[in-house]
This record gives sequence, structure tokens and C-alpha cells, in this order.
Amino acid sequence: GIQVEQSPPDLILQEGANSTLRCNFSDSVNNLQWFHQNPWGQLINLFYIPSGTKQNGRLSATTVATERYSLLYISSSQTTDSGVYFCARPINYGQNFVFGPGTRLSVLP
Amino acid sequence: GAGVSQSPRYKVAKRGQDVALRCDPISGHVSLFWYQQALGQGPEFLTYFQNEAQLDKSGLPSDRFFAERPEGSVSTLKIQRTQQEDSAVYLCASSLDWLAGGGSYNEQFFGPGTRLTVL
Repeated sequence: GIQVEQSPPDLILQEGANSTLRCNFSDSVNNLQWFHQNPWGQLINLFYIPSGTKQNGRLSATTVATERYSLLYISSSQTTDSGVYFCARPINYGQNFVFGPGTRLSVLP
Repeated sequence: GAGVSQSPRYKVAKRGQDVALRCDPISGHVSLFWYQQALGQGPEFLTYFQNEAQLDKSGLPSDRFFAERPEGSVSTLKIQRTQQEDSAVYLCASSLDWLAGGGSYNEQFFGPGTRLTVL
């Protein structure tokens, strides 16, 4: 079946530090999304990024579909960045997502 | 509405009770998805609708789980004779139909979830 892996599983940062989260997938993708699940459980869309690079403020993401990975960069981290970061991709075109296991990020003041 | 809404936000049920969870997708979104998220894990797919048609229900864990979307908008996930292992957060997501979107655009937007606790 389709596999989505994420690393690292846990990450602790001091406020202001930068980090890179990785998502590996087992086959080619037509869509990939990054989400942040905040401590209240809300899944917040960060990036829709089947390929290429996008930036949004302190966050940016790059997907290299041919090499089957995506990276999420967080710069100048803040305590509000804490939570779980998921990458997800569809099994079939336009249909349900398979989620990775997530990276739990804790940013300390 | 501005986003996907779900109700109730929290539900406590006694084992054996039936529960109904509601999802209001983003206005105009054709596709609707239900996911189950156990504590400490990522969401797992339950079922998918395109308009009122349930196109995939392969993730429903048992025949006690039933979902409907009769008018192609609001959806209800029903769990009959709840068991303790049904305790989880149930997430609803919606997206533009990728055909209507003019290609493979199928970004999913999630609601806040319903936390179900079965005692």
C-alpha cells in the first residue's frame, strides 16, 4: 500500500531556531498537503504543494515529486508553532488522503 | 460559511448508545470526507462523498458506522451501538471537485472535529 513517512517524530526547539521537517512517500503524487494540528486539535492548512516551492511568511515548503519527498521549513520558530505537523497525500485522484504519522514540535520560550 | 463546521464538538455516550455527528462543508464544495483520529495518531480515512453519492466507504470500520449526505451538502456520520474503541476525534473535510476545479486541484479543508468518548 501507499506509505507516508515523516521525520523526525519529535522535535524540541528553542524559540527563534529554524527547523526542517521531512515527508517521504512511496510513489509519485498528484497532490501533497502540509497541515499543522494545533493543541486544540484543529487541522490548519499550511501548503498545497504537489511540486515546487512555496513560501508563506516564516514557513516554506518544497516538494520533489520525482524523488518522492517534501520538506517543510520553519524559520525563527515561535511558541505558537508548537503542535503536530502532518503531511498527507491522496490514494486516488481527488479522493481520500493518507496521512503520515506526524512530527510533534515543541517550541520552548 | 467561511469554513467547515462540525457539531457537536464533544459527545459523551454510554456503550451501546447510537450517536450522530454532523458536518457542514464549505459552501460550494462538492467533495466531502470523514476521517477518524485516534489519540496520538494521524487521521484515517472513513468515507468519501461526491455530491450526494457515497463513492468510497472502504474505511468504515464496521457495519455499525453509516454516513449519508442526502442533498449533497450537510453530512451525518452515525455510529450505532457505540463501543469503547469508537472513542476518537471524527474529522470532516471538504474540497472543490477536482473536475470542477479545472484539473487536479483538490485541496482539503478540515473542520474542528467532534471528540467522541464512549464510556
